[in-house]
Amino acid sequence: AQSVTQLGSHVSVSEGALVLLRCNYSSSVPPYLFWYVQYPNQGLQLLLKYTTGATLVKGINGFEAEFKKSETSFHLTKPSAHMSDAAEYFCAVSTYNQGGKLIFGQGTELSVKP
Amino acid sequence: EAQVTQNPRYLITVTGKKLTVTCSQNMNHEYMSWYRQDPGLGLRQIYYSMNVEVTDKGDVPEGYKVSRKEKRNFPLILESPSPNQTSLYFCASSPKGGKRDTEAFFGQGTRLTVV
Repeated sequence: AQSVTQLGSHVSVSEGALVLLRCNYSSSVPPYLFWYVQYPNQGLQLLLKYTTGATLVKGINGFEAEFKKSETSFHLTKPSAHMSDAAEYFCAVSTYNQGGKLIFGQGTELSVKP
Repeated sequence: EAQVTQNPRYLITVTGKKLTVTCSQNMNHEYMSWYRQDPGLGLRQIYYSMNVEVTDKGDVPEGYKVSRKEKRNFPLILESPSPNQTSLYFCASSPKGGKRDTEAFFGQGTRLTVV
């Protein structure tokens, strides 16, 4: 079975500070991992994904994530937070069957203080 | 513009009154699915469809029905809604038959309240 755990349901940072959103996964097969962002009253939008190859993945809006197999982690980072980054962030793993169903973590709401 | 369109965006209904939430995508994707989002639980898959006339249960299918008569449409049907189906619902589609490495494209969501 596969699962995703996001540590911290709410994270608050100051504008310009480092953003770190934590995601740990469990998978018996090599995982395919995704980060999605949900802005208020909108659907989910893909930030970045890891399938194979380079373990440091760069996404949109200055975000990146590093796949660490030894730590079963896929943490999302951004060097300098912007007010527009305030949103809910979801980490997900896709299954090896059922057409690649996404299994989501609980979500982390990011607040950015001026 | 490539998109997944859900209607309605907001719906308040009473227990037991049948309703349908429509979903349409214009990207010619084979794979479509429905998720519900609840606080502290993330998104959970309700049903999915690998292609026309092919549907299957996800993780939380009880109380829901779907159909896939056309490639672009994937309606979600609640035959007899109950208050525990109050939630935020998302339709999603993916190309390549929903392979593991492909991203899902999401609609804007339908907030359903059952009283």
